[in-house]
Amino acid sequence: EAGVTQSPRYAVLQEGQAVSFWCDPISGHDTLYWYQQPRDQGPQLLVYFRDEAVIDNSQLPSDRFSAVRPKGTNSTLKIQSAKQGDTATYLCASSRLGGCAETLYFGSGTRLTVL
Amino acid sequence: DAKTTQPDSMESTEGETVHLPCSHATISGNEYIYWYRQVPLQGPEYVTHGLQQNTTNSMAFLAIASDRKSSTLILTHVSLRDAAVYHCILRVVATGGNNKLTFGQGTVLSVIP
Repeated sequence: EAGVTQSPRYAVLQEGQAVSFWCDPISGHDTLYWYQQPRDQGPQLLVYFRDEAVIDNSQLPSDRFSAVRPKGTNSTLKIQSAKQGDTATYLCASSRLGGCAETLYFGSGTRLTVL
Repeated sequence: DAKTTQPDSMESTEGETVHLPCSHATISGNEYIYWYRQVPLQGPEYVTHGLQQNTTNSMAFLAIASDRKSSTLILTHVSLRDAAVYHCILRVVATGGNNKLTFGQGTVLSVIP
């Protein structure tokens, strides 16, 4: 079984530029999460979906960040105008509602550096 | 989600057994105790979870206090591959509920050859 796939692996951009991250969850997983992990900190939840519906986006900076999961499978997280403070690893995870403990399986992440 | 308290760091030697403590004095009755670990450049990895009874799997043994206010993750015969940040997390798992997983700083486990 393939794991959670994320791309790109790395991204480097200047302040003010836009960037998109892509996530392909494990097949059959209806729940998808996006986390932000600044250096030397634990992952922090940004948003999560069940199928195509947003369940919790309370920590997503809505002025510059957006996330979609239009068909309830793949997902894209976009930063409209990046700031240096957005430098972090962006992790995607998926789980199956009702699955064993609803275990989250994580991808390897996208490491973003904003200069 | 209720808060957990873990030591910032611990150290062990290859082949030894290590006990990673976690305090959760205000845990609610419907909160599960989850453990994840993370190595550099990788996403977190599920280790184990429990509600009330001790649990064991191929990765670890989870000992839960009878009052559920603390738990201990026990790793036997640790190897260099076990060096990671270990996160103890409380999580409600309910059908249709907000089952998010909230990470803290975790315990950095170092393993000496």
